[in-house]
Amino acid sequence: KAGVTQTPRYLIKTRGQQVTLSCSPISGHRSVSWYQQTPGQGLQFLFEYFSETQRNKGNFPGRFSGRQFSNSRSEMNVSTLELGDSALYLCASSPAAVNTEAFFGQGTRLTVV
Amino acid sequence: AQSVTQPDIHITVSEGASLELRCNYSYGATPYLFWYVQSPGQGLQLLLKYFSGDTLVQGIKGFEAEFKRSQSSFNLRKPSVHWSDAAEYFCARYNQGGKLIFGQGTELSVKP
Repeated sequence: KAGVTQTPRYLIKTRGQQVTLSCSPISGHRSVSWYQQTPGQGLQFLFEYFSETQRNKGNFPGRFSGRQFSNSRSEMNVSTLELGDSALYLCASSPAAVNTEAFFGQGTRLTVV
Repeated sequence: AQSVTQPDIHITVSEGASLELRCNYSYGATPYLFWYVQSPGQGLQLLLKYFSGDTLVQGIKGFEAEFKRSQSSFNLRKPSVHWSDAAEYFCARYNQGGKLIFGQGTELSVKP
């Protein structure tokens, strides 16, 4: 079974631009979560989707948004990029609604210059 | 608020030596606990999980962890460390909102 696939692996963007990151979960998994990882703040939860519905959202500004499609693939979007948005963005998929293990992708390394 | 604490930021062990990485979780209902490992520039790989039942859980790569409710701990152990185990290790738990809460991570270095 293929793992969680995130594209692209690396991105360089300029302040003020917007970016879209993509995540394809493991086949059959319906829950997709997104996390931001930075050296200073560690791993922080962004949001979680299940069956195209956002069920939970972390403490991030409205510039961070996401969506999930009917095939469970998910995208997250960051608008008006700031230097502080530079991070590793990780996507995780889970087979069930709650309290099951999460499987992570390789991440997308976003650098904002 | 529910939280996870990894007291050790960095640990160095000699190859072949035993390893124990500490993890403490804040009080709450029976927690769902995990250990993940991350190599530089990579995603997180699940080592093991605890949901209920036997408090000693076995994982991949020879790792095990013991859940101790009385100490609010879920320490990761390995009897003999290999150089390839050098990485960052994260302890995590689910909170009521269905999201993972991670500790700050412990970086493991392995001396030859």
